[in-house]
Amino acid sequence: NAGVTQTPKFRVLKTGQSMTLLCAQDMNHEYMYWYRQDPGMGLRLIHYSVGEGTTAKGEVPDGYNVSRLKKQNFLLGLESAAPSQTSVYFCASRRDIGSSPLHFGNGTRLTVT
Amino acid sequence: GQQVMQIPQYQHVQEGEDFTTYCNSSTTLSNIQWYKQRPGGHPVFLIQLVKSGEVKKQKRLTFQFGEAKKNSSLHITATQTTDVGTYFCAGFTLQGAQKLVFGQGTRLTINP
Repeated sequence: NAGVTQTPKFRVLKTGQSMTLLCAQDMNHEYMYWYRQDPGMGLRLIHYSVGEGTTAKGEVPDGYNVSRLKKQNFLLGLESAAPSQTSVYFCASRRDIGSSPLHFGNGTRLTVT
Repeated sequence: GQQVMQIPQYQHVQEGEDFTTYCNSSTTLSNIQWYKQRPGGHPVFLIQLVKSGEVKKQKRLTFQFGEAKKNSSLHITATQTTDVGTYFCAGFTLQGAQKLVFGQGTRLTINP
């Protein structure tokens, strides 16, 4: 049981480049989330999904797009990377029962130069 | 929007000293969760508090949820080097049960 798997672990982009971060979970969770973590700012919600085919904006959605074509996968896309998107990105999932806890992936460290 | 404030941002203690982090929400929470993130790691769920005034203990860790369900605290008694990390509180609002809003976290470092 792998839990939540994020790929890649590290990535360096140049300003204006695009990329997709992949999150896969094998726990059959309905809810999936993308957070970014910056020093002193905690975890900020980018986008989330409450089920296959659905997505919704979080606190800081600008510059990002997401897709949830399959229940187990949640993709985060950066169409035109900016230095302000340098961050550590965490994907998380949880069951749709009550206030179930989040299960996090190991994170992706992204640097935009 | 909802805000969850956590203080202090940093805390450095001598091993054996106690440690407390506080969490305050601008709105009433349906419940609150606490997570721990070790250096270089990812957040890991510790506990959830649901009831007004609830107190839960996990060995040396004591978690409290305020009577008004707007604040919470985590207290560690006699810290050990294994307690090093960043502690986050996170709350579900009464309206948005699908998303969790995190505090900024308290980074705990310990001098052995």
